[in-house]
Amino acid sequence: AAGVIQSPRHLIKEKRETATLKCYPIPRHDTVYWYQQGPGQDPQFLISFYEKMQSDKGSIPDRFSAQQFSDYHSELNMSSLELGDSALYFCASSSGTADLLYGYTFGSGTRLTVV
Amino acid sequence: SQQGEEDPQALSIQEGENATMNCSYKTSINNLQWYRQNSGRGLVHLILIRSNEREKHSGRLRVTLDTSKKSSSLLITASRAADTASYFCATDANDYKLSFGAGTTVTVRA
Repeated sequence: AAGVIQSPRHLIKEKRETATLKCYPIPRHDTVYWYQQGPGQDPQFLISFYEKMQSDKGSIPDRFSAQQFSDYHSELNMSSLELGDSALYFCASSSGTADLLYGYTFGSGTRLTVV
Repeated sequence: SQQGEEDPQALSIQEGENATMNCSYKTSINNLQWYRQNSGRGLVHLILIRSNEREKHSGRLRVTLDTSKKSSSLLITASRAADTASYFCATDANDYKLSFGAGTTVTVRA
């Protein structure tokens, strides 16, 4: 079965550079969530989109922006990268009330290293 | 602040033993979910328990939920070396975003 696809798997950037992370949800899932997990930390919610509109916002820095496109894939854009942005970035997708039964499906994540 | 707090932070057991970890949370929830994460890998959903449920089973997993105490436990029975991973509880407060606990690192010794 198709899962949540994230690309790239690994990314190395220098300070002050820009990074773009992509997430392709499970087919027919209309909601995408982004989480950030620092080294040894628990995942923290960043932002979510439902039907291409931002639905909720968490602890996402102003340097980050995200959007969901007409094909429901989402991109997380991170500018002026800082060393502290080094983390695993997860995307999850869901569809309507199926959440209550099945939980969320996460992608394998993008490991961003800022040097 | 973290919605979910987990204990213990780390657990080391022998293969075949049971592993129990606990999670406490602060606000009302719609459901509570448990996830597994192998080192540096993705989060894998294990089990979801709704706020009106008290206990749920899935294979070797048993989850309990006590909404009066705002706590949940995850029991892994007859553990295997392959169960070695970090386990996170995550609460969904009906706003469709998860708040994760700090996680319990489980090491199963062969």
